[in-house]
Amino acid sequence: AQSVTQLDSQVPVFEEAPVELRCNYSSSVSVYLFWYVQYPNQGLQLLLKYLSGSTLVKGINGFEAEFNKSQTSFHLRKPSVHISDTAEYFCASGGNFNKFYFGSGTKLNVKP
Amino acid sequence: EAGVTQFPSHSVIEKGQTVTLRCDPISGHDNLYWYRRVMGKEIKFLLHFVKESKQDESGMPNNRFLAERTGGTYSTLKVQPAELEDSGVYFCASTLTEGPNTEAFFGQGTRLTVV
Repeated sequence: AQSVTQLDSQVPVFEEAPVELRCNYSSSVSVYLFWYVQYPNQGLQLLLKYLSGSTLVKGINGFEAEFNKSQTSFHLRKPSVHISDTAEYFCASGGNFNKFYFGSGTKLNVKP
Repeated sequence: EAGVTQFPSHSVIEKGQTVTLRCDPISGHDNLYWYRRVMGKEIKFLLHFVKESKQDESGMPNNRFLAERTGGTYSTLKVQPAELEDSGVYFCASTLTEGPNTEAFFGQGTRLTVV
């Protein structure tokens, strides 16, 4: 069975500071890993995904994530956040049929 | 191009009533998915349509939930009768094909409150 754990429900950070949102996955089979973002009153939007190959994945809006198989982690990072990054972020794992297993979400609150 | 559209955006109903949620996927997307997020917890898979057929309905919580996709276009999710624990945000997503290389597009969700 697959599962995803997001360790932080809320992360407050000041504008222009770096941020890391943590995600750990559990699976007995190969997985594909994703980060989605939900801005207020909008649907989920894909930030980035890891399918195979390079373990460092770059996404939109300056975000990147690193797949670490030994630590079963897929943490999301951004070196300098903006007010506009305030949103809820979801880590997810998936298989071949787009059936996602989501974490419980992390609310990123960027303060001026 | 229009994205995935869900109606209504919010619904407040009394326990025991019936509610029908609708999802219009991106035109041409054969795959349609329903998910639900209850009380700030994780978003959980409900079911997956390929065209009008149910590919996987393993996440449907019980027989009070009925999903349809007649004609393989839009889909409805009916809850009858609604219970308090059915409150949450219901998301719909669609993909052109199956497989991780195809991006899933999500709607903005329907927030259902059962009182």
